[in-house]
Amino acid sequence: EVQLVESGGDLVQPGGSLKLSCAASGSNFGDSFIYWVRQASGKGLEWVGRIKARADNYATKYAESVNGRFTVSRDDAKNTAYLQMDSLRIEDTAVYYCRQWLRKDVFDLWGQGTVVTVSS
Amino acid sequence: QSALTQPASVSGSPGQAITISCTGTRSDIGVSSSVFWYQQHAGKAPKLIIYDVSNRPSGISTRFSASKSGNTASLTISNLQAEDESDYYCSSSTTAHTVVFGGGTKVTVL
Repeated sequence: EVQLVESGGDLVQPGGSLKLSCAASGSNFGDSFIYWVRQASGKGLEWVGRIKARADNYATKYAESVNGRFTVSRDDAKNTAYLQMDSLRIEDTAVYYCRQWLRKDVFDLWGQGTVVTVSS
Repeated sequence: QSALTQPASVSGSPGQAITISCTGTRSDIGVSSSVFWYQQHAGKAPKLIIYDVSNRPSGISTRFSASKSGNTASLTISNLQAEDESDYYCSSSTTAHTVVFGGGTKVTVL
């Protein structure tokens, strides 16, 4: 079964850093765009950022709320994407999902989410 | 970038049709062909039900349909069934090449 598995969520103090991973089991990872989306407890979905595929020069884009603090990257050889989170704030507390999207195949796959808690 | 506006809740009886609106601006929905709709059951990851304004992925029931007019997108669920009770989110690309989500709509089957 093709799946995405996030990992790396943890309890971290304000101002701290954390790196999330998103591992894909399918063969189409390299052609896919990868998105990170978060959801605070009881709240709606919030787009965090994305990284395009190699064909698009791995272009990245971020939400204003995380721009300059978060960095999305990928290692296609490992079928894995990452979200480096620095200068974490209490309001960054959420479940973080990664999403794999390949438009030409209408392939849309989400991970199960990983919990990030920012608290002192 | 402000979130897209969705009603907090919509309800309907089994067999009825309901419509969820998603209102944005000329900087997102108004100019985007990348309007998506997701269904999210409690404690689960979102599931894509509509992409590119009105297209259904393979395996999604034909009871789900969607459209866009101006700055507003709409999702219609026909012949409402118990398993449709869930949260629904719209999203759109923006002129800034970001993505914005709606606040979500809780659908209740009476």
